[in-house]
Amino acid sequence: GAGVSQSPSNKVTEKGKDVELRCDPISGHTALYWYRQSLGQGLEFLIYFQGNSAPDKSGLPSDRFSAERTGGSVSTLTIQRTQQEDSAVYLCASSSGQGSFAEAFFGQGTRLTVV
Amino acid sequence: GNSVTQMEGPVTLSEEAFLTINCTYTATGYPSLFWYVQYPGEGLQLLLKATKADDKGSNKGFEATYRKETTSFHLEKGSVQVSDSAVYFCALIGNRDDKIIFGKGTRLHILP
Repeated sequence: GAGVSQSPSNKVTEKGKDVELRCDPISGHTALYWYRQSLGQGLEFLIYFQGNSAPDKSGLPSDRFSAERTGGSVSTLTIQRTQQEDSAVYLCASSSGQGSFAEAFFGQGTRLTVV
Repeated sequence: GNSVTQMEGPVTLSEEAFLTINCTYTATGYPSLFWYVQYPGEGLQLLLKATKADDKGSNKGFEATYRKETTSFHLEKGSVQVSDSAVYFCALIGNRDDKIIFGKGTRLHILP
């Protein structure tokens, strides 16, 4: 597709349930990022992929969060046993990964609400 | 580690006013610097960038100059419009990795 695609756009889940968020990056982009944006807050870095490997997982807030990327393309962010504080907009971005010259393109995000 | 600090908002200005949003950074080496903008109801998009010291990025009337001596990348516009109302994020990519570090964002509200 022409841009970064995220699904679902909105997700309401009950506390304690698991959720999966999907990101389809721009074709050919090797770098993929997940961020979280809470109401009134900035962008919180979660994880970064270069190809299928994740050199930096330092932003994952707890072991309930995990992410994978397959085929150097689609990525899935999984949150297990969701808590109300997980409610936020989860943003995915991709870039050509050519170091400091690479512009990141963002998806529209998935708004997660845990009730 | 690398970090970005930008002025807290919200910033409220009248139309045609001069805008400055301050951004300073901490990084090893020579990072690239960016301003991203998030208009209401839309995703983040790149506004401008600068990849080396003294470079000036510009777009849509906005400008920012990469100042290594002051480790700053302040965003300026000479005459803001109502349509500039958005959240602005300063960001950097270090030259040793590809992780983008964002500031907390500054909400700008322009009054007609």
